[in-house]
Amino acid sequence: AQSVTQLDSQVPVFEEAPVELRCNYSSSVSVYLFWYVQYPNQGLQLLLKYLSGSTLVKGINGFEAEFNKSQTSFHLRKPSVHISDTAEYFCAVSDRAGTYKYIFGTGTRLKVLA
Amino acid sequence: EPEVTQTPSHQVTQMGQEVILRCVPISNHLYFYWYRQILGQKVEFLVSFYNNEISEKSEIFDDQFSVERPDGSNFTLKIRSTKLEDSAMYFCASSAPGELFFGEGSRLTVL
Repeated sequence: AQSVTQLDSQVPVFEEAPVELRCNYSSSVSVYLFWYVQYPNQGLQLLLKYLSGSTLVKGINGFEAEFNKSQTSFHLRKPSVHISDTAEYFCAVSDRAGTYKYIFGTGTRLKVLA
Repeated sequence: EPEVTQTPSHQVTQMGQEVILRCVPISNHLYFYWYRQILGQKVEFLVSFYNNEISEKSEIFDDQFSVERPDGSNFTLKIRSTKLEDSAMYFCASSAPGELFFGEGSRLTVL
């Protein structure tokens, strides 16, 4: 079975500063990895995904993430955040076979300060 | 671009009432899912459905819950007798291999 850990429940950061949101996963099989963003009272929007190939994945809104198999991590980064990036961010893992169900982390609330 | 659609977007019901949440998955997808998010909490897996039967379910998905694909397009989640703690956002998803596509969610409020 897979599991996902997002150690930081909240991350405050000043506007235009860089940010990293951490995600570690546990799995006995090969996985797919995802980051989603959720704005207040809205649904889940896919930011980026790692399915295979290059371990550095670029997504929407200037976000990127790097898959590190040896550290079982998939940290999300942005070099310069905006006020509009304030939201909840969820990391998710899926196995490469079977039902493809996602297991989500507990989320990290990114608060961008002016 | 094809998308997963859910209805209703918001439903208010009295405790003990039956609720049906509806979803239209992307047409060529084969796996379907329901997830739940209690306000302010993580997104939790409820059930996956493949080939007209449940392929996996979580411990949350007890006898109060059922899923059905009554025709070729709809995928429904029924809660037989709602409880206060069923108040949540319910997300439907369908899957191409390796990636889930989520609907916008149905917010259920149980009074």
